[in-house]
Amino acid sequence: AQSVAQPEDQVNVAEGNPLTVKCTYSVSGNPYLFWYVQYPNRGLQFLLKYITGDNLVKGSYGFEAEFNKSQTSFHLKKPSALVSDSALYFCAVRDMDSSYKLIFGSGTRLLVRP
Amino acid sequence: GAVVSQHPSWVICKSGTSVKIECRSLDFQATTMFWYRQFPKQSLMLMATSNEGSKATYEQGVEKDKFLINHASLTLSTLTVTSAHPEDSSFYICSASVGQGRDTIYFGEGSWLTVV
Repeated sequence: AQSVAQPEDQVNVAEGNPLTVKCTYSVSGNPYLFWYVQYPNRGLQFLLKYITGDNLVKGSYGFEAEFNKSQTSFHLKKPSALVSDSALYFCAVRDMDSSYKLIFGSGTRLLVRP
Repeated sequence: GAVVSQHPSWVICKSGTSVKIECRSLDFQATTMFWYRQFPKQSLMLMATSNEGSKATYEQGVEKDKFLINHASLTLSTLTVTSAHPEDSSFYICSASVGQGRDTIYFGEGSWLTVV
């Protein structure tokens, strides 16, 4: 079975500092990995995805993620955090075995303090 | 990115009544749509997967007679909560994908349902 884990419920960082939101995955084949962000009372916004190719994936709003096959990780990063980045972040893997649904991690709340 | 529109954003209904939530892909044809439910401060729980023109596939534990899903066209899927009860109050989110595999799945803005 495919799964993703987000080990941190919350990440706190000061504005201007780099941020990392962690995600590890477990899949039976090639991983199709995604990051989404959710602001309060809103749907999910797509940030970036890894399908194949370069291990460093660049996405929206200055975010990037590094795919590491040996560590089965897909951590989300940003060089300089903004207060407006404060939100709930979800890592997901697409289930390629059956329904092609997204399997989500538990989510990590990012709090960027001024 | 592609746009998925969900309507209504907020709805209040009385116990025992039914309520319909619409999900539309505005600028692409969605062969597959997904319906999720999210409880406060929790992750998304997949309810069902629907493919255009065929019956929805429900996740284990989701009552298909209570949560009716219709995907009649490539741009519209609907979720009808029948005989709603207060415990059905939740945030419902739809998502849509052009196809399977490598395609990005785009999400609607969600619908808050409150059953009183």
